[in-house]
Amino acid sequence: AQSVTQLDSHVSVSEGTPVLLRCNYSSSYSPSLFWYVQHPNKGLQLLLKYTSAATLVKGINGFEAEFKKSETSFHLTKPSAHMSDAAEYFCVVSDIANTGKLIFGQGTTLQVKP
Amino acid sequence: DGGITQSPKYLFRKEGQNVTLSCEQNLNHDAMYWYRQDPGQGLRLIYYSQIVNDFQKGDIAEGYSVSREKKESFPLTVTSAQKNPTAFYLCASSKGPGAGGWVDGYTFGSGTRLTVV
Repeated sequence: AQSVTQLDSHVSVSEGTPVLLRCNYSSSYSPSLFWYVQHPNKGLQLLLKYTSAATLVKGINGFEAEFKKSETSFHLTKPSAHMSDAAEYFCVVSDIANTGKLIFGQGTTLQVKP
Repeated sequence: DGGITQSPKYLFRKEGQNVTLSCEQNLNHDAMYWYRQDPGQGLRLIYYSQIVNDFQKGDIAEGYSVSREKKESFPLTVTSAQKNPTAFYLCASSKGPGAGGWVDGYTFGSGTRLTVV
């Protein structure tokens, strides 16, 4: 069965420093993987997705993620954090074997300090 | 622009009342989903529907009901049987699995915050 684990529930960085949000997945199939962002009291917005094309995926707002099959990881990075990046981030895997529903990680709260 | 509209944004329920949350999409998506979000618990699937007039229970369906009479609409009723309904509710839609829905991800609405008073 597919599953996803976000390794940090809370990450704090200073503005202008790099961001790393870690995600490991488990899948018996070649997975589709996603990162979503949620600002307070808002819906979720798709940041980027991996669907078996290039392993380095670029998303919106300067974020990118690298699919590493050997490490079963899909970590989200950004070279320089901005105050507006403060939000909740969800790593998601598609449950291909069971109707294609998405399976969500528990979320990582990113705090950006001035 | 295509998207998903959830209404109302805020909803207050008295003890013993049923309330209905609206979700409408104009993306021509076959599949629709309802999630509940509580602090520190991520998203939990309540119900989902992959085709009109058909829906399945998710992980926490007790105390909730849905209908899917039109492709565009997937309302969620929180019944009096749901003992702890205070939460943030999110609706989402996607292409069906037969249309490659699992490679596109979901489109989410902006949510409804339900509070019991």
